[in-house]
Amino acid sequence: DSGVTQTPKHLITATGQRVTLRCSPRSGDLSVYWYQQSLDQGLQFLIQYYNGEERAKGNILERFSAQQFPDLHSELNLSSLELGDSALYFCASSVLAGVDTQYFGPGTRLTVL
Amino acid sequence: AQTVTQSQPEMSVQEAETVTLSCTYDTSENNYYLFWYKQPPSRQMILVIRQEAYKQQNATENRFSVNFQKAAKSFSLKISDSQLGDTAMYFCAFSSFFGNEKLTFGTGTRLTIIP
Repeated sequence: DSGVTQTPKHLITATGQRVTLRCSPRSGDLSVYWYQQSLDQGLQFLIQYYNGEERAKGNILERFSAQQFPDLHSELNLSSLELGDSALYFCASSVLAGVDTQYFGPGTRLTVL
Repeated sequence: AQTVTQSQPEMSVQEAETVTLSCTYDTSENNYYLFWYKQPPSRQMILVIRQEAYKQQNATENRFSVNFQKAAKSFSLKISDSQLGDTAMYFCAFSSFFGNEKLTFGTGTRLTIIP
């Protein structure tokens, strides 16, 4: 158990809908990362927050957004969902904003029908 | 941009044997970190080992060790005395030392330990 929690574990929804994925980092970690794992694109970095502020952006679609709250938990919002958004979404956390080992949560499996 | 290449999509080995997974990367940076993560059937991403590029000594963690060749940009993982629980996807990952600390992953190697 990495200490990073993600909810829900599984999510099934329809095209065009909006969902919110939640992540609680390890105690003491200030940095949160979101990754998407899909069959065709592999593991891809989406976005990073550090202590409430956006720090880096990767291949995140405009339909996706994220935020980190004062208690350091983070949410990833996915809207206007398409079939291709079906994937495993991971949250990872680390203590620092600089290079530091990232510990991954168990992931949220999103299925868009 | 950095790239990470894992050229072995699948490997299998008998239990108790030693296996080596390959990884090469491309970067113009001098300081960076390299990681091996394991993803068992449960889908959890588990850190196996980490290597700082500025360290000449290869990292080891119990049965897991790396062969880090900085000039060749090669970072292989050796698993000794392989166990059934080592069956998993293994991902090599790169992280810059400065700036964006995202992990750039390879495509993975599916390792099966045969009883």
